[in-house]
Amino acid sequence: DAGVIQSPRHEVTEMGQEVTLRCKPISGHDYLFWYRQTMMRGLELLIYFNNNVPIDDSGMPEDRFSAKMPNASFSTLKIQPSEPRDSAVYFCASSLTSGRIRETQYFGPGTRLLVL
Amino acid sequence: AQSVAQPEDQVNVAEGNPLTVKCTYSVSGNPYLFWYVQYPNRGLQFLLKYITGDNLVKGSYGFEAEFNKSQTSFHLKKPSALVSDSALYFCAVSPFSGGYNKLIFGAGTRLAVHP
Repeated sequence: DAGVIQSPRHEVTEMGQEVTLRCKPISGHDYLFWYRQTMMRGLELLIYFNNNVPIDDSGMPEDRFSAKMPNASFSTLKIQPSEPRDSAVYFCASSLTSGRIRETQYFGPGTRLLVL
Repeated sequence: AQSVAQPEDQVNVAEGNPLTVKCTYSVSGNPYLFWYVQYPNRGLQFLLKYITGDNLVKGSYGFEAEFNKSQTSFHLKKPSALVSDSALYFCAVSPFSGGYNKLIFGAGTRLAVHP
């Protein structure tokens, strides 16, 4: 399996621009997670989906952030408008739940975002 | 509040010596516990997990971790460190809450193995 795929790997943009990050989970996984990693705040869970439905978006910083999962093999995280404080590494992860057993989350390589 | 603590920002070890990276947690119920490793400019890689059963869990690259319920700890260990083990290590807990897969991560511990 190719693992979790994220694109782009690096993104440099100017403040005020729209940024779209993309994720393809591992085939067959029913959970998808978006995380943000910064030096100051560490790893933060932004939002997660189960069977394409958003379950918990309490970690999304503000209305400028939105996430969608139109189908089981694709998700986007959008920031509009972007601000310098959004600069971070954004990770996507996926996992498979078998009944009540919570399985391991597998992470993508991340998107390094720099907002100037 | 549910949380994970990694009390050491950095651990320094000489190559060939045993290493321990500490983790304690505070959650209700019976948690699932995980260790992940992050190499520079890479995503997090799964090392091992504890669900139930034997308190000593063996994982990838010779790592193991010991679950201690009374001390609410899940320390990562390796008998003989390698320079290539130098990386950032994260402990994580998945609280038992209705089958959701949410992970709570510690702040991370940087492991530096010196030749």
